Amino acid sequence: GESVGLHLPTLSVQEGDNSIINCAYSNSASDYFIWYKQESGKGPQFIIDIRSNMDKRQGQRVTVLLNKTVKHLSLQIAATQPGDSAVYFCAETPSPRYGGSQGNLIFGKGTKLSVKP
Amino acid sequence: DGGITQSPKYLFRKEGQNVTLSCEQNLNHDAMYWYRQDPGQGLRLIYYSQIVNDFQKGDIAEGYSVSREKKESFPLTVTSAQKNPTAFYLCASSSQEDEQFFGPGTRLTVL
Repeated sequence: GESVGLHLPTLSVQEGDNSIINCAYSNSASDYFIWYKQESGKGPQFIIDIRSNMDKRQGQRVTVLLNKTVKHLSLQIAATQPGDSAVYFCAETPSPRYGGSQGNLIFGKGTKLSVKP
Repeated sequence: DGGITQSPKYLFRKEGQNVTLSCEQNLNHDAMYWYRQDPGQGLRLIYYSQIVNDFQKGDIAEGYSVSREKKESFPLTVTSAQKNPTAFYLCASSSQEDEQFFGPGTRLTVL
């Protein structure tokens, strides 16, 4: 079946360095992608999203890149801080964001980011 | 403060017992969702509801039931038919034009 997966289950970076978390997806009909951050024992928090008509979107210290040719999504975190330590999930949905159902949001297994002081 | 709440934070169930997990939101969102998360895994969709008095099965609905009598509330019942219920349960809500917002989760353990 089609699913969202991740290249690396764990990532360890030095404080202050940039982090790149990758995600591969296989559903060519996916229209909307989201990155979530989940701290231990808590619910996921929205970080940033991107639609399929965009290649790049920037937030505060975070950038999401979408390469539809190779079905690849990445999350870049600038100047990584200890508070960034968490599990990061990408999620996709083949439904249109506007007026469509988000009931079939598909999550990857997550990448655990550890920040060394 | 607007948000989504889940209770209890921790729940223990005996074999053969039904338990109900609460999820409430005051974000005025139409859609609500229940996910299950196992250790080291992503989230799997149990049930979702796009409007009051209507809900659909997700990928792993067997052994679970839900109701949506009010817009603000979407309780999940874990029945005795669910043979492996120990997991972290997450509730989420969204408007039609927005991302899903998650609650803090309920950790269910079978004794």
